[in-house]
Amino acid sequence: AAGVIQSPRHLIKEKRETATLKCYPIPRHDTVYWYQQGPGQDPQFLISFYEKMQSDKGSIPDRFSAQQFSDYHSELNMSSLELGDSALYFCASSVLRDHGNTIYFGEGSWLTVV
Amino acid sequence: AQSVTQLDSQVPVFEEAPVELRCNYSSSVSVYLFWYVQYPNQGLQLLLKYLSGSTLVESINGFEAEFNKSQTSFHLRKPSVHISDTAEYFCAVSATGFQKLVFGTGTRLLVSP
Repeated sequence: AAGVIQSPRHLIKEKRETATLKCYPIPRHDTVYWYQQGPGQDPQFLISFYEKMQSDKGSIPDRFSAQQFSDYHSELNMSSLELGDSALYFCASSVLRDHGNTIYFGEGSWLTVV
Repeated sequence: AQSVTQLDSQVPVFEEAPVELRCNYSSSVSVYLFWYVQYPNQGLQLLLKYLSGSTLVESINGFEAEFNKSQTSFHLRKPSVHISDTAEYFCAVSATGFQKLVFGTGTRLLVSP
């Protein structure tokens, strides 16, 4: 079965640079989520979109922005990168009206800021 | 708001021994409960979930978890672990009707021969 696809899988950027992560949800899933997992940390919710509209917002820095496009893929844009932004970024998707709203995660994108 | 507490950061166990990973949650509303597993350098995989109905839920690889409303717990158990079960296990909760998952801090299960 198709899963959540994230790209790139690994990314190295320098401080103050910009990075863009892409996410392709499972077909027919209408909700996309972004999570950030720092080294040795639990995943922290950043932001979510339902039908291309922002549906919830978590601990996302102002330097970050995200959007969901008409084909339901999503992009997380991170500017003025800091060393502390080094983390594993997960995208996940679900069907809102699915009982239990099971959320499926991608493999993650490793961002290293040097 | 919801919160999850995983009391054990690391659980070492010998192969073929039983194991229990503890998870307690806090919420003022009804919740769904999940266990996710993360193998080294990999993403999060759903292990099992409790939505409603039977309080005992099982996964295809021998894990089970029991929802205990009075104790607000959702402990994960396996009667006999394998080396391949070595991974990080995250308990997570979402309020029914909402989507966002709140994770616990994770428990690293270390299975040795």
